[in-house]
Amino acid sequence: EAQVTQNPRYLITVTGKKLTVTCSQNMNHEYMSWYRQDPGLGLRQIYYSMNVEVTDKGDVPEGYKVSRKEKRNFPLILESPSPNQTSLYFCASCQLGYSNQPQHFGDGTRLSIL
Amino acid sequence: SQQGEEDPQALSIQEGENATMNCSYKTSINNLQWYRQNSGRGLVHLILIRSNEREKHSGRLRVTLDTSKKSSSLLITASRAADTASYFCATDKYSGAGSYQLTFGKGTKLSVIP
Repeated sequence: EAQVTQNPRYLITVTGKKLTVTCSQNMNHEYMSWYRQDPGLGLRQIYYSMNVEVTDKGDVPEGYKVSRKEKRNFPLILESPSPNQTSLYFCASCQLGYSNQPQHFGDGTRLSIL
Repeated sequence: SQQGEEDPQALSIQEGENATMNCSYKTSINNLQWYRQNSGRGLVHLILIRSNEREKHSGRLRVTLDTSKKSSSLLITASRAADTASYFCATDKYSGAGSYQLTFGKGTKLSVIP
C-alpha cells in the first residue's frame, strides 16, 4: 500500500531536549516536504527536498533541520525545541514532472513542547 | 507566505444541499489543488486543475479556475454528512533553480448537518 509513515504520532517533551520525527515513503517519490499546522494559520511549509541530498527552506524553517540521505526518508530534527514549536506536523511526498502528482500526506505528528 | 486564501472560513449546510468554497491567490501558478482534511488527520488530495484549464469534474466535485481573477472555486453537490471536513486549496509553482513549493491556504471548515 502506498503510504507516508510518520513516527511518533504523539510526543510530549520538554524545552531543549533534542528530538527527531521520522518520515518514510514507499512510492519512490523525489519530492518530500514538512509542514506544520497551527489553528488559524493553516499549513506552513518548513523544509522541502527535491531529491537526495537536496534540501531547501520553506516559509518557517527557523529552529528545524532536515536531511535527505536516502530517497525514502526525510527526518525532521528539532535540535533545541521550544514551546512555540508545539504544533501538528505533517510530512508529504510527491512525484515531480510536468504532470505533477498530488502530494501524499502522513497522518501527522502532534508535538507538545513544555 | 500564504498564497491561497479560502472563503468562507466556515460553512454549515443541510445534507443534500450544495457547498461552494472559494480560493484566491496572489501570484501566477502552475497548478491549483484542493485537499480535504478530516479532523486531526492528514490531508487527502481531491482534485488538481492546471493553469490552462478552466473547469474540472470528479464525481460530486466541480472545480473552476479563473487565472485572470486569480481565483478558484470548489463545488460539492448533494452534500453528505461524511463530507464534513476542512477543505484547503494549494497552489504550486516551480521557481528558480528548480525549486518547487506547494503553498496552502487556511482552509474552509465545512459542516454538513444530517
